[in-house]
Amino acid sequence: DGGITQSPKYLFRKEGQNVTLSCEQNLNHDAMYWYRQDPGQGLRLIYYSQIVNDFQKGDIAEGYSVSREKKESFPLTVTSAQKNPTAFYLCASSNLGSGGPLAKNIQYFGAGTRLSVL
Amino acid sequence: QKEVEQNSGPLSVPEGAIASLNCTYSDRVSQSFFWYRQYSGKSPELIMSIYSNGDKEDGRFTAQLNKASQYVSLLIRDSQPSDSATYLCAVNTGFQKLVFGTGTRLLVSP
Repeated sequence: DGGITQSPKYLFRKEGQNVTLSCEQNLNHDAMYWYRQDPGQGLRLIYYSQIVNDFQKGDIAEGYSVSREKKESFPLTVTSAQKNPTAFYLCASSNLGSGGPLAKNIQYFGAGTRLSVL
Repeated sequence: QKEVEQNSGPLSVPEGAIASLNCTYSDRVSQSFFWYRQYSGKSPELIMSIYSNGDKEDGRFTAQLNKASQYVSLLIRDSQPSDSATYLCAVNTGFQKLVFGTGTRLLVSP
């Protein structure tokens, strides 16, 4: 089964706690992304990675951290510094291919993790 | 000005009608454009991509792109109640990042 697997589906965070969301893909995609979606809102980019051991901040990186030690894995840690973490978190991946920064970049999404604060 | 703008809706159409969803973008450098469908509580799924000016058809869906006007649209013919969802417009503005609009909620009534 090819695709993007996010776990857990639901996650609860206690105040002051760090939590880690898992994202694994077996599509052999180069790039991986983390988005946050709040109710009635679009997707906002948290972090992205185009190659192993390298990643860049997106528009709302504060309070989050990531790692990319393997091509297929891109975990996201929501730290205690993120004061409003309740949201739907989506992981995506894409095959960069050729064509430079304006290449097609078709992104495919996992099923998401819904994070709430206890 | 937001980079990608969509009317939040809801857009209500009767079953069998054509639904027309619109999106404007601000960055003239953009070359790749996508429409995603998102059912309530689910993740987005890609339904159309378009890269050149003009129309691109796939089944009941037609994407239209006008780069001069910085406008991309999605037409859904013979709308079905199962098409009721939020439709997200996404634009590749460079550096392998997509910018998403806030989405248009479509309601198709039987």
